[in-house]
Amino acid sequence: DTAVSQTPKYLVTQMGNDKSIKCEQNLGHDTMYWYKQDSKKFLKIMFSYNNKELIINETVPNRFSPKSPDKAHLNLHINSLELGDSAVYFCASSQAPRTGDGLQPQHFGDGTRLSIL
Amino acid sequence: GENVEQHPSTLSVQEGDSAVIKCTYSDSASNYFPWYKQELGKRPQLIIDIRSNVGEKKDQRIAVTLNKTAKHFSLHITETQPEDSAVYFCAASSGTSYGKLTFGQGTILTVHP
Repeated sequence: DTAVSQTPKYLVTQMGNDKSIKCEQNLGHDTMYWYKQDSKKFLKIMFSYNNKELIINETVPNRFSPKSPDKAHLNLHINSLELGDSAVYFCASSQAPRTGDGLQPQHFGDGTRLSIL
Repeated sequence: GENVEQHPSTLSVQEGDSAVIKCTYSDSASNYFPWYKQELGKRPQLIIDIRSNVGEKKDQRIAVTLNKTAKHFSLHITETQPEDSAVYFCAASSGTSYGKLTFGQGTILTVHP
C-alpha cells in the first residue's frame, strides 16, 4: 500500500563500490524526483523525470546516473562511491505541473540511508 | 536561481502555545510554497501548501500566510502538542513549468508537555 517505495532502506558499502537505489510509485504520477538530504538535514533536488524524460539535472557529479524505465519507476545508480556521498536519498513523485498552476504536491518515499565506509 | 531562507533554526514552546516559522524567497516568479514536516528517521510529509494567488490558507491548527510583495511566507501552528515536535521545512518553486522545489534549512520544533 506504500505510495512511494524505495529499496533498500539502508545501504552500507565501501568507497569505490557501485550501488543502485530503486524507487517505485503507485500513485499514477507522471513526475518523479531524487533528493539528497545531508547530515545537516538540508534537502536538495538532484534529478527530476517527467514521463521517463529527464527534465531537471542539478549540478550532480556524473557518477550519479538516474534511469526511468517507465513513469512509475526511477532508479539511481552511483559509481565509484565517495565518503561525501553518505546521506539519505529520497525519491518523490507528483502529478505533472499544470499550466498556470505550477508544481503539484510531492509525495516522498521513506528514504535510503547510504553509509560509505 | 531561487534562494530560500528559513528562521528560526530551532524553536522550543510549551504545549498549548503557538509556533511561527518564517521563510523568505528570492525569485519573484515563484508560485508554489509547500511546508513539510519530518519526524526523526522518517520521510518529509506535506502538511500544507499555498499558491501565489492566495494570501492565507488554514487547515485545523495549521495556517500559512504569503506576502508576495515582501517575498515571505510563514507557518503558524496553534495549540501545539508534543506530537508536533519535528523538523519543519518550507520550500518554494520557481515559476517555470518544470521548476524545482528549493527547500529552506529547516526548523527543529520542540513542544514541551
